[in-house]
Amino acid sequence: EADIYQTPRYLVIGTGKKITLECSQTMGHDKMYWYQQDPGMELHLIHYSYGVNSTEKGDLSSESTVSRIRTEHFPLTLESARPSHTSQYLCASSEFSPIEQFFGPGTRLTVL
Amino acid sequence: GQQVMQIPQYQHVQEGEDFTTYCNSSTTLSNIQWYKQRPGGHPVFLIQLVKSGEVKKQKRLTFQFGEAKKNSSLHITATQTTDVGTYFCADAGNTGKLIFGQGTTLQVKP
Repeated sequence: EADIYQTPRYLVIGTGKKITLECSQTMGHDKMYWYQQDPGMELHLIHYSYGVNSTEKGDLSSESTVSRIRTEHFPLTLESARPSHTSQYLCASSEFSPIEQFFGPGTRLTVL
Repeated sequence: GQQVMQIPQYQHVQEGEDFTTYCNSSTTLSNIQWYKQRPGGHPVFLIQLVKSGEVKKQKRLTFQFGEAKKNSSLHITATQTTDVGTYFCADAGNTGKLIFGQGTTLQVKP
């Protein structure tokens, strides 16, 4: 069983609020990823990291930012949430590539 | 950029019927991974195919990688209600980034 955690699981907030979605893994994986997924749709990579102090933007443009200060922690921040940010955000990690990615349970974000 | 096309988008079957989803790319795939996402859940890794023409089986699931490494398929024999979910293929290049197909959502009528 993969040990990757995301909090909160559900979040409903108003427009303009700053939010941070937490992602932690206890497997010691160097590689971590953030995906955005609308209901019933494919996953889009928005950020990834290959190790501490390494972050890159993914294939889908996103107004969010990420940081990687510790191996196990990869938080995602939205400075000013908007209704267009409503989606599910999935965090994943892998030991090396190409190999399976382990996904967290996801955060379902609704911005009113 | 690189795109992975997956068909069909939806499939409804009677329990006991077979099911197949197809994944196609216009360019050669490095490796292909398959994931299953249950309703309300998160993707879970099923398998990775690496070699041209590779065929792998997991109980009732059979995975194939095309000879030209431009397509792949997942076949489920005698579906069960526990097979319900969305099946995604993903191009897994050596960079570690996955490019997902659109997914095929399987519904199984008991």
